[in-house]
Amino acid sequence: GAGVSQSPSNKVTEKGKDVELRCDPISGHTALYWYRQSLGQGLEFLIYFQGNSAPDKSGLPSDRFSAERTGGSVSTLTIQRTQQEDSAVYLCASSLGGFTDTQYFGPGTRLTVL
Amino acid sequence: SQQGEEDPQALSIQEGENATMNCSYKTSINNLQWYRQNSGRGLVHLILIRSNEREKHSGRLRVTLDTSKKSSSLLITASRAADTASYFCATDRSPSGGYNKLIFGAGTRLAVHP
Repeated sequence: GAGVSQSPSNKVTEKGKDVELRCDPISGHTALYWYRQSLGQGLEFLIYFQGNSAPDKSGLPSDRFSAERTGGSVSTLTIQRTQQEDSAVYLCASSLGGFTDTQYFGPGTRLTVL
Repeated sequence: SQQGEEDPQALSIQEGENATMNCSYKTSINNLQWYRQNSGRGLVHLILIRSNEREKHSGRLRVTLDTSKKSSSLLITASRAADTASYFCATDRSPSGGYNKLIFGAGTRLAVHP
């Protein structure tokens, strides 16, 4: 079946502009995660949605970052007033249920802030 | 903050050789997972080992877990050029002790030369 999809695959923006990144999880997966990966680094947890529970936003680096998950499916990560240090690959993952279940990753969105 | 730490950071071997990567973590866990990432994009789940398991096999992969030493190893036997990738371990408990997300290490970059 279809895996996790993300769009756009690449995004180049100017400093100060807002960007929206989209994630379509695997159908039926109740958990959805956003991560950030800077060049050559590991994954930095950003936010976690589980069903109808309040999201775990503990990884969001600043109030410029926000995320929504509508209808328990598609999620949008929004970065306002982008900065050059926001440049990274943003990865989305989903899992069937519990937070320690196997996570299935999308291909990521490479964000470049000029 | 980081829970799993892989070593070495980088490993370069010839095709046919075995590759061993290690992961150490700080707190008790329920399970530990290994993921693979090609070209800085989405991660692919390789194997999950539970805290009550000591060894697990999947094809050419062998994972061990030593909870007394809080460490795990991933062995890839008879390596191929296609195994070239970054490998990450992920644990299900944050350093602060809370269960709420997978914590990824910084990864080992494996290069297999033909």
